Amino acid sequence: KQEVTQIPAALSVPEGENLVLNCSFTDSAIYNLQWFRQDPGKGLTSLLLIQSSQREQTSGRLNASLDKSSGRSTLYIAASQPGDSATYLCAVSLTLYSGAGSYQLTFGKGTKLSVIP
Amino acid sequence: DVKVTQSSRYLVKRTGEKVFLECVQDMDHENMFWYRQDPGLGLRLIYFSYDVKMKEKGDIPEGYSVSREKKERFSLILESASTNQTSMYLCASSPLGREGLTGELFFGEGSRLTVL
Repeated sequence: KQEVTQIPAALSVPEGENLVLNCSFTDSAIYNLQWFRQDPGKGLTSLLLIQSSQREQTSGRLNASLDKSSGRSTLYIAASQPGDSATYLCAVSLTLYSGAGSYQLTFGKGTKLSVIP
Repeated sequence: DVKVTQSSRYLVKRTGEKVFLECVQDMDHENMFWYRQDPGLGLRLIYFSYDVKMKEKGDIPEGYSVSREKKERFSLILESASTNQTSMYLCASSPLGREGLTGELFFGEGSRLTVL
């Protein structure tokens, strides 16, 4: 069974610092990996989607990388701002096809990021 | 932009009441999901639907049912609410990827349910 781990569970950094969030998974047979942001009491907002054939994706100050062989993805945030404070979750979608539509998505429990002004 | 709309942001119900949580997506996505999110437990899948009138149980379907009569709408039903169903409920949709796999996932704003 796929397991997704995000370490650390919480991270506090001063404003302006570059930082890396980690996501590791146990089964490398993934279809895609997605990074989300969640603000307190809200739903999840999709940040970046990396297909299994890709190595990285970029959006603004965010860069996500994927290394299937080592079972790792990182989310790099450049020049962090207080508005980046949120919980960041990763989710992996497996290539296992169940025959009835595959929903094999596994989420990590997230890293809570605090950017201190 | 993809929009997933959950009808109620906050609900307070009493034990034993029947509860309906509605979710509508506007991007013609095949897949729709209901999750619940609890501190320390993360997101857990309740039910999944990959087509109209089709549904599959997720990890924690007990005490819940779902309905998908139209492609854009996926409803979660608590037949008889209990206090342990107090939680944040999140609806999501995604297109079909290749070979029926799950494409990019989009979430609604969430429904915070309190059962007294």
